[in-house]
Amino acid sequence: EPEVTQTPSHQVTQMGQEVILRCVPISNHLYFYWYRQILGQKVEFLVSFYNNEISEKSEIFDDQFSVERPDGSNFTLKIRSTKLEDSAMYFCASSPGTNGGTQYFGPGTRLTVL
Amino acid sequence: AQSVTQLDSQVPVFEEAPVELRCNYSSSVSVYLFWYVQYPNQGLQLLLKYLSGSTLVKGINGFEAEFNKSQTSFHLRKPSVHISDTAEYFCAVTNTDKLIFGTGTRLQVFP
Repeated sequence: EPEVTQTPSHQVTQMGQEVILRCVPISNHLYFYWYRQILGQKVEFLVSFYNNEISEKSEIFDDQFSVERPDGSNFTLKIRSTKLEDSAMYFCASSPGTNGGTQYFGPGTRLTVL
Repeated sequence: AQSVTQLDSQVPVFEEAPVELRCNYSSSVSVYLFWYVQYPNQGLQLLLKYLSGSTLVKGINGFEAEFNKSQTSFHLRKPSVHISDTAEYFCAVTNTDKLIFGTGTRLQVFP
């Protein structure tokens, strides 16, 4: 069964450094998402992406964040200058469609900012 | 705007007992409802979803949920749990494609 993959599984970085989290969505899916889960808190929506554009973003997704689909398979989340509060588990998801289409989640990347 | 409330942060239960995990939502428009499960060190896996039609929805691993519009609830149930059901369960709602999650319920199944 196809699945969403994410790399790395764990990323440790120093405050102020740039990080890129990588995701390979399911191949025939058209909609892509990033969510994050701060330890002990709920899963929060960050951004949705369709047709090479951001379709929706949350208040969390400020100018420090960007997303890109650099080729036909990868979907990346970049944090330009990490802060301590960016430490969280970041989940990528993909979906074949909206309006109730199932979002398939990857295993997550745990980002630790020191 | 939508919101989701999961009233129980933890639910301890013995193996083979029935369980109900509660979820209430708030929305001014019609929504789609989901239950996801997160096993330790894994991502979120869809258990079941309600889009329309029959209010009783059956999912994987013997779980089912009932959509109750008047009570704005979508409680998850299983008649007999296994040790392997120990996990975090998240209720989510959307009317577009942005999922709004509840805070999660940790189901702990004891032998």
